[in-house]
Amino acid sequence: GQSLEQPSEVTAVEGAIVQINCTYQTSGFYGLSWYQQHDGGAPTFLSYNGLDGLEETGRFSSFLSRSDSYGYLLLQELQMKDSASYFCAVGSSTDKLIFGTGTRLQVFP
Amino acid sequence: DGGITQSPKYLFRKEGQNVTLSCEQNLNHDAMYWYRQDPGQGLRLIYYSQIVNDFQKGDIAEGYSVSREKKESFPLTVTSAQKNPTAFYLCASRIRGLNTEAFFGQGTRLTVV
Repeated sequence: GQSLEQPSEVTAVEGAIVQINCTYQTSGFYGLSWYQQHDGGAPTFLSYNGLDGLEETGRFSSFLSRSDSYGYLLLQELQMKDSASYFCAVGSSTDKLIFGTGTRLQVFP
Repeated sequence: DGGITQSPKYLFRKEGQNVTLSCEQNLNHDAMYWYRQDPGQGLRLIYYSQIVNDFQKGDIAEGYSVSREKKESFPLTVTSAQKNPTAFYLCASRIRGLNTEAFFGQGTRLTVV
């Protein structure tokens, strides 16, 4: 089976840096992606890692270590609008797309 | 504009009734998905479809049914066999492949009374 574990909640202040971890167990790994969801809204895509290493997109970066079955999302220069839930997700060769348990980020002034 | 549309946004049904949630996309995506989200929880996969006239069970398919008669449409029926149907339902679509972005509809909040 497949499972992805994330911390349930993270808090930080504006301007800080926060890291959201994701550990996964999958039968056949095909990349780790990250999504953001504001309360009551639809998830939106943030980033994807297919290979080990760091991918940077503006204030957000995502890291993957396939040997450790681990990845993280790094958010820098936090803003109030970054308060949301963040989900990691893994795909498969059959196009199955599984999401993690989600991490609620609260940014305080 | 291309996108994925779910309707209705809010839906109320009596216990024991079947209800169908609509999902339509004009992005020309082959793969479509249905997820269930409970308060403070992650997205759990109900069903997904890679291509027209084919679909696969996800992790929580019991009490749900789907059809994929057209590429653009992937309706979800919540049957009376679903024990706890009250939830937020999200539909998504994407191009088939390993690293493609999934696009989500705005969701349907189903309340069974």
